[in-house]
Amino acid sequence: EIVLTQSPATLSLSPGERATLSCRASQSVSSYLAWYQQKPGQAPRLLIYDASNRATGIPARFSGSGSGTDFTLTISSLEPEDFAVYYCQQRRSWPITFGQGTRLEIK
Amino acid sequence: EVQLVESGGGLVQPGGSLRLSCAASGFTFSDNEMNWVRQAPGKGLEWVSHSSRGGNTLHYADSVKGRFTISRDNTKNSLYLQMNSLRAEDTALYYCARSAIASTGTGAFDIWGQGTVVTVSS
Repeated sequence: EIVLTQSPATLSLSPGERATLSCRASQSVSSYLAWYQQKPGQAPRLLIYDASNRATGIPARFSGSGSGTDFTLTISSLEPEDFAVYYCQQRRSWPITFGQGTRLEIK
Repeated sequence: EVQLVESGGGLVQPGGSLRLSCAASGFTFSDNEMNWVRQAPGKGLEWVSHSSRGGNTLHYADSVKGRFTISRDNTKNSLYLQMNSLRAEDTALYYCARSAIASTGTGAFDIWGQGTVVTVSS
């Protein structure tokens, strides 16, 4: 099973700042990594697929990078609605696995 | 509008059974692979099970293998999860999620339902 480790567990930033979230895989997942955003009481929403492709309707301030074992989700300038929990997920091999999440909170 | 609506959750005793359903609309259901994902209270996301487009290739998390069965009826645009021998640790919000069409393997989960709550308790 591929283990995904996200860091930091919690990130405290202010609106307008840049957010950098990390996801590290226990073995290579090539580019088969996705990022999801989840707000309280809501289902997860796909942000980025295949490491760097924005999903439909996702603002350009969200970007993803990386390949192999190290990946980054960057939010260039935080909007109030961006404060949420973010998960990475790999689809390289079964079982599909998620990281434990990074909580992005308002400082 | 592309939509997934789960139903069938509820309170069940340990050792009991429950069948979840997911009704799809707004897209050609048979074109997409489908998944169940769960989230225990206050915890992260856990993938549970996957079905290929025709329902002939299935995958399960080790935590549910042998107890849960995923199936689909493409004529009814519906996905199911039969859950047997339920345990307290199966208590969670269960989401139905669509895999995006991908050139290799199963795609990212691009559409999610709002979930149905399963509580296993005596």
